Amino acid sequence: EVQLLQSGGGLVQPGGSLRLSCAASGFTFSSYALSWVRQAPGKGLEWVSGISGNGKMTYYAETVKGRFTVFRDNSKNTLYLQMNSLRVDDTAVYYCSSGYWGQGTLVTVSS
Amino acid sequence: DVVMTQSPLSLPVTLGQPASISCRSSQSLVHSDGNTYLNWFHVRPGQTPRPLIYKVSNRDSGVPDRFSGSGSGSNFTLEISRVEAEDVGLYYCMQATHWPMYTFGPGTKLEIK
Repeated sequence: EVQLLQSGGGLVQPGGSLRLSCAASGFTFSSYALSWVRQAPGKGLEWVSGISGNGKMTYYAETVKGRFTVFRDNSKNTLYLQMNSLRVDDTAVYYCSSGYWGQGTLVTVSS
Repeated sequence: DVVMTQSPLSLPVTLGQPASISCRSSQSLVHSDGNTYLNWFHVRPGQTPRPLIYKVSNRDSGVPDRFSGSGSGSNFTLEISRVEAEDVGLYYCMQATHWPMYTFGPGTKLEIK
């Protein structure tokens, strides 16, 4: 069974940092490109970032480029999203996805 | 960017009756490899999104056969042959053809009349 178990998230002040993790099981992790997707309160789903299976190619939405970094550790079957210089409008539930989805984690940016 | 639209946005259905959701994309979703990466997934309140259909018409593992997907190019449909109580929630279409940037429809809320 495919499982994506997320951790990290929480409350942070504007300008702060957080790291999200997504631990995968049930599939050959290194063979799959992965993505981070978020949903702000009352808004639709927004693609945030993607990474190739070997981690060499990374991609970002313009709204997070230069502030967020996606990376993965294929030896640990884990995907990460390092979020720096967080803004109030980054407040959202963040999901990791391989086609299957993590359970989501809430990131709240507020003073 | 590819824009995804869905209709209807709200779908009240009587138990046991069929339901249909339309999804349209602003560009063709046919990939250069010949596949069409249009997926559907379901979100129940407070739960993890559950994939239903991948590549237009393929049911994900464990998805009941009352769910079916069809379509081509930029026009797609999700059908539920007989709605059950557990089917309530939000249904999203999503394109993965133009990877890495997924885009999503706005969601259709299915409720029981």
